Amino acid sequence: DTAVSQTPKYLVTQMGNDKSIKCEQNLGHDTMYWYKQDSKKFLKIMFSYNNKELIINETVPNRFSPKSPDKAHLNLHINSLELGDSAVYFCASSQFPGQGDEKLFFGSGTQLSVL
Amino acid sequence: SQQGEEDPQALSIQEGENATMNCSYKTSINNLQWYRQNSGRGLVHLILIRSNEREKHSGRLRVTLDTSKKSSSLLITASRAADTASYFCATDKEDDKIIFGKGTRLHILP
Repeated sequence: DTAVSQTPKYLVTQMGNDKSIKCEQNLGHDTMYWYKQDSKKFLKIMFSYNNKELIINETVPNRFSPKSPDKAHLNLHINSLELGDSAVYFCASSQFPGQGDEKLFFGSGTQLSVL
Repeated sequence: SQQGEEDPQALSIQEGENATMNCSYKTSINNLQWYRQNSGRGLVHLILIRSNEREKHSGRLRVTLDTSKKSSSLLITASRAADTASYFCATDKEDDKIIFGKGTRLHILP
């Protein structure tokens, strides 16, 4: 019954590896997001998709590639992982901004540790 | 491109006291939201206040918005141990991005 679910919850990997994080929402929302939260709890938007189309792409290295096979799923693939990628990554969803209900629903996060 | 900034960064109060957190932002907004994050969990939406509203209540929460000062406050009355968490304000920008502040860490002492 989880509204926004992301897997895995923990991800420990070596530098240089490639990894993916998956996200699914069952709320019928049009828009999905990836946020990165650093060790100081600062939450920064990375990407936003609306109905499988990329609408926000912040200044994120090309090593990060989001993929949205359908509007209920938004996965994040990271190539050539670096130490600085260690953080907690949150998936979120909402109705499309500007339609009067911009409330975000968040997943429980994926803690990525790059060694 | 940080928009909101919470103050204080950390706050410790006795259980039963009221907790007040502030948020300042830089550009005009359509609405402002407050979220709570418990340790190791995702953020949970608490309340949304629109730019044409000045005050809003939800249970023990009271939010005010002063668009002339570009600031908002979140008041939690009669605090409980379960209120221990980080609290974030979030604002929408013209490009529909929802931008979060750095949060206030609230600790309720027994």
